[in-house]
Amino acid sequence: DIHLTQSPSTLSASLGDRVSITCRASQSISTRLAWYQEKPGKAPKLLIYDAFHLQSGVPSRFSGSESGTEFTLTISSLQPEDFATYYCLQYNTYLYTFGQGTKLEIK
Amino acid sequence: QVQLVQSGAEVKKPGSSVRVSCKTSGGTFSSDAISWVRQAPGQGLDWMGVMIPMFGTANYVQKFQGRITITADASSSTAYMELTGLTSEDTAVYYCARAPASIAAPDSWGQGTRVTISS
Repeated sequence: DIHLTQSPSTLSASLGDRVSITCRASQSISTRLAWYQEKPGKAPKLLIYDAFHLQSGVPSRFSGSESGTEFTLTISSLQPEDFATYYCLQYNTYLYTFGQGTKLEIK
Repeated sequence: QVQLVQSGAEVKKPGSSVRVSCKTSGGTFSSDAISWVRQAPGQGLDWMGVMIPMFGTANYVQKFQGRITITADASSSTAYMELTGLTSEDTAVYYCARAPASIAAPDSWGQGTRVTISS
C-alpha cells in the first residue's frame, strides 16, 4: 500500500501569513494527489486535484505543487476561514490513502 | 449539481452489522467512483474502499477486508456500504464520496452518517 507522510501535524500562523503543508508519498503516484479542507461537523472540501489543479470555486490563494514524490499545498495569504484541518489523498491506484492531517491554528 | 444523501444515524450492538446508503443525483452514477471514508472521534480521515458501478467490483483497504462490502444499485443511483463484526472501534462518522471519471479525485461528499457502537 502507498503511504503518505504529511507534515507538519499542527501549524500555527497569523492572518495574512503564507503557509505550506507537505505530503510525501512512499512511492511514485504520478500527480494523483488531492488536497482537502475539513472543518468540524462538515464533510471535507476538495481544494486541489492532480497535484496542482484548482477545483472550481476555490480561491486562488490556494495552490499545489509537486516534486517527485513530494507534494505541497500553499496558502498565500491566510484568511479567517482558512483555519481548518487539511488532508492530502493519493488516488494513483484504486487503493487510496489519506495523509494524517494538518491542523492549521491561529497564532 | 451533484448531491449525495446518506441514510440516518445508527446505534448498533457489538458484533452486529450496519448498512449505510448513499443516494446520488446529478452525476453519472455508473462511471463515477464511489468511495467510503470514515472518521472516528478526534481522528483523521480513513479511506475504506471504492466501487465503480459500471465495473461491478470493489476495492477495499486491507484492514477492512472480510468485514466490508460495497455495492451499488444503478436503477436508483444508490451505493451501499455494509460493515460486519462491529466493535467500539468502528464508532465513527461514515462518508460516501463521488469521484467523476474526469478528475478521479472525490469532489462531492455525502453529509456523513454517525454510527455508534454501544452495548
